[in-house]
Amino acid sequence: EAGVTQSPTHLIKTRGQQATLRCSPISGHTSVYWYQQALGLGLQFLLWYDEGEERNRGNFPPRFSGRQFPNYSSELNVNALELEDSALYLCASSLAGFGHIRIGTEAFFGQGTRLTVV
Amino acid sequence: AQSVTQLDSQVPVFEEAPVELRCNYSSSVSVYLFWYVQYPNQGLQLLLKYLSGSTLVKGINGFEAEFNKSQTSFHLRKPSVHISDTAEYFCAVSPPPSGYSTLTFGKGTMLLVSP
Repeated sequence: EAGVTQSPTHLIKTRGQQATLRCSPISGHTSVYWYQQALGLGLQFLLWYDEGEERNRGNFPPRFSGRQFPNYSSELNVNALELEDSALYLCASSLAGFGHIRIGTEAFFGQGTRLTVV
Repeated sequence: AQSVTQLDSQVPVFEEAPVELRCNYSSSVSVYLFWYVQYPNQGLQLLLKYLSGSTLVKGINGFEAEFNKSQTSFHLRKPSVHISDTAEYFCAVSPPPSGYSTLTFGKGTMLLVSP
C-alpha cells in the first residue's frame, strides 16, 4: 500500500513568486495535515483539512493557504514567497475524521517537499 | 497551551551502548505523548505513543519510553543502539481530544551512533 506521497521533492522559487505543493494521503485517510520544518524553528503546524474543509490553522499569515480535493488529496499554496519560507514542508494523513487520536489511528508523514526561496 | 523541551540537541553514542533521549513537556491539561524519528531526507515515522494506561510504552525498532506525570517527562530509551539508529528524534504532545492538528513538537535531538 502506498504511503503519503508529496510532490515535487524539491522546489526552487524566487522571492515574490507563488509555490504550490501537493500531497496524496494514504488510501482511506480523510484528514491531511501540513507542517513546516524550518531550520532552527523545528516543526510547526500549518493547516489541517478533513472532508474537504479547513478544520484548523496554525500561526501563519494568510498567504499560506490550501485546499483539499474530493479525493482527499491536498494542495498547499504559498503566495508572495519570502526568503524565510525556505523549509521542508511535510504532509501527514490520518484516519481520524476530526483529528482525534485514537488507538490505532496514527498520522503518517510523507517525505516532504524542500522549498528553497532565492 | 503546551510546550516540549528536548534537553539535548545532539547525543553521540557508540554502537551497542544504551541511550536515553530526554523530553519534558509543559501543559495545563493531560496530554497525549509521541516520539517520532526522522532519517536523513525522509519524513517522520512514529516510534511510539502514549495515550493512556501503562506508563511504559514499547515502540518499534526496540525503543521504549516511560511517561512520568509527576516529572512531566517522556524519555525515550534503547538498551543497545545500532548505526542505523542515527537520525533525528522528535518528542511531541497533543491535548486530547484535539489530535494531530495540535501536535506540538520539540526542537529535536540528533542521535549520532558511531562504531
